[in-house]
Amino acid sequence: DAGITQSPRHKVTETGTPVTLRCHQTENHRYMYWYRQDPGHGLRLIHYSYGVKDTDKGEVSDGYSVSRSKTEDFLLTLESATSSQTSVYFCAISEWGQETQYFGPGTRLLVL
Amino acid sequence: AQRVTQPEKLLSVFKGAPVELKCNYSYSGSPELFWYVQYSRQRLQLLLRHISRESIKGFTADLNKGETSFHLKKPFAQEEDSAMYYCALRNAQKLVFGQGTRLTINP
Repeated sequence: DAGITQSPRHKVTETGTPVTLRCHQTENHRYMYWYRQDPGHGLRLIHYSYGVKDTDKGEVSDGYSVSRSKTEDFLLTLESATSSQTSVYFCAISEWGQETQYFGPGTRLLVL
Repeated sequence: AQRVTQPEKLLSVFKGAPVELKCNYSYSGSPELFWYVQYSRQRLQLLLRHISRESIKGFTADLNKGETSFHLKKPFAQEEDSAMYYCALRNAQKLVFGQGTRLTINP
């Protein structure tokens, strides 16, 4: 496995609370991504980063924000969690010119 | 708009039978397509890419631009092939994924 970790791995929270998920890489890859995985929808891109402090929106960015203050960390924040954000969240990394994305182990988030 | 469609959510076949997981795409340029696989309790990982025209674990996939398809095939399924399979289309440095197909190989 590429050096990608996600924390926490599991989280239960209540509607309206803020939640931050962390993705950490040791590969020094330029690109980092946050996806959510839902039955019937596959993986959908939330946000991605193409460098430190450089981020852009994906397909399902509403209700989410991200930050990348250093190469190795990419944070995903749910400002005010809703039940529709219950999902499995995956982080991925890739390098410029490479086709392959490498995925983290995922974080299961349940919003009650 | 770029889109990937996997019409089968679930696919169940017997061990030793042929397998075909369907993938159709829409893309205005020259597509780059991939199959990713997620085995139980493992991370999502690349299975194969159309550019390399390789066979991985007995699986092959041919890009058919006329039918805008990239179906994944294996002549003889094995129990260890049971997994979730995603077709993906590259758009610059991003990937667009299909909905996924859960493949179950019955003994």
